[in-house]
Amino acid sequence: SAVISQKPSRDICQRGTSLTIQCQVDSQVTMMFWYRQQPGQSLTLIATANQGSEATYESGFVIDKFPISRPNLTFSTLTVSNMSPEDSSIYLCSVEGGPQGKEQYFGPGTRLTVT
Amino acid sequence: KQEVTQIPAALSVPEGENLVLNCSFTDSAIYNLQWFRQDPGKGLTSLLLIQSSQREQTSGRLNASLDKSSGRSTLYIAASQPGDSATYLCAVRPRGNAGNMLTFGGGTRLMVKP
Repeated sequence: SAVISQKPSRDICQRGTSLTIQCQVDSQVTMMFWYRQQPGQSLTLIATANQGSEATYESGFVIDKFPISRPNLTFSTLTVSNMSPEDSSIYLCSVEGGPQGKEQYFGPGTRLTVT
Repeated sequence: KQEVTQIPAALSVPEGENLVLNCSFTDSAIYNLQWFRQDPGKGLTSLLLIQSSQREQTSGRLNASLDKSSGRSTLYIAASQPGDSATYLCAVRPRGNAGNMLTFGGGTRLMVKP
């Protein structure tokens, strides 16, 4: 299984500011995924990040609001821009792995509160 | 569009009880189904992965079954313990080109009382 770390683990931010979340994986992976979990809700995929190309965003998420970097095969960042209280969520980094490459692993999450 | 439902949304049981969590999905064209555990404010821990060709998987006190034709999976927890208290999520992975897009259920919040 993959070991995933995220920084920061939590943050409290003011409206209108931006926060960059870092995700580090202990092995090289082709794709990294960013999910959002709003309070009391299940997980929603924000985007898929491949190394060397632009991230692919899901419906309802745009690059200007959630820019993503993927500089190498073990690291990615997600920025939450111009934050509002509605952005208060847990943000989770995820990768695929396992013998058949189709088991999903998640990082510990970044708990963001926007005031 | 795949929809995943988990029933019940919340469950409270006394320690030692055996229990079953349910997950249903609308589109049977799945690649696999995965059960996760999430502690409050934390990330997800993978518990069991069932491929579409499999009927069940076991890990310790946990047993997950899959009936693809009826669109159902169950997670059986034997001899529950207070440490099992968490939210349990199921997620299905579709076949084909959308295979990277997991669809999650809403979760079952389990509390095991000592």
